[in-house]
Amino acid sequence: GQQLNQSPQSMFIQEGEDVSMNCTSSSIFNTWLWYKQEPGEGPVLLIALYKAGELTSNGRLTAQFGITRKDSFLNISASIPSDVGIYFCAGQYLSGGTSYGKLTFGQGTILTVHP
Amino acid sequence: GAVVSQHPSRVICKSGTSVKIECRSLDFQATTMFWYRQFPKQSLMLMATSNEGSKATYEQGVEKDKFLINHASLTLSTLTVTSAHPEDSSFYICSAETTYNEQFFGPGTRLTVL
Repeated sequence: GQQLNQSPQSMFIQEGEDVSMNCTSSSIFNTWLWYKQEPGEGPVLLIALYKAGELTSNGRLTAQFGITRKDSFLNISASIPSDVGIYFCAGQYLSGGTSYGKLTFGQGTILTVHP
Repeated sequence: GAVVSQHPSRVICKSGTSVKIECRSLDFQATTMFWYRQFPKQSLMLMATSNEGSKATYEQGVEKDKFLINHASLTLSTLTVTSAHPEDSSFYICSAETTYNEQFFGPGTRLTVL
């Protein structure tokens, strides 16, 4: 199936550093979502974006919905060891013919934070 | 956030047997639930969309007779892996969609087929 292009694939950073990751798509989406997954667990929703250009924060996390509706980025400021995990972007397109929206996932960014 | 549970969290079975995985939305009703499969160090791949009261919609390449889905109520969907084989070993994750089209994921089920 279709996948989003998410980069970088992995990041190794020092505690306290800021982190940035992004996703691009050839298709437009109505909604962009960012999830974090820890080993052996399901993804946990971090931020949901609903409008082109929208900038939303959740604590140390900030995400933006690109103006073209084909991209999004996630920033994590002042990283801490518990930020370790895999971060996935996901795009959702709700068409007029259905009441539900399938998600298309990026490949994931593996984040490692060194104390 | 909304809570979704899965049971069992881990299952080991012999080749040829069938395994049922349950997905429940605990504090909200979900007309639509989704089933994903995830291989190690890979992203989530959608297998099927489960709609309460109707047949599931399967993604291309997913065998519907192999992966039986039943969405019996607004809080429960089940995935049955029939005649499981070692290549079916994977991490299976469900999600439930709220009325605002947000998807919340279960904790996953690790299936190992010997």
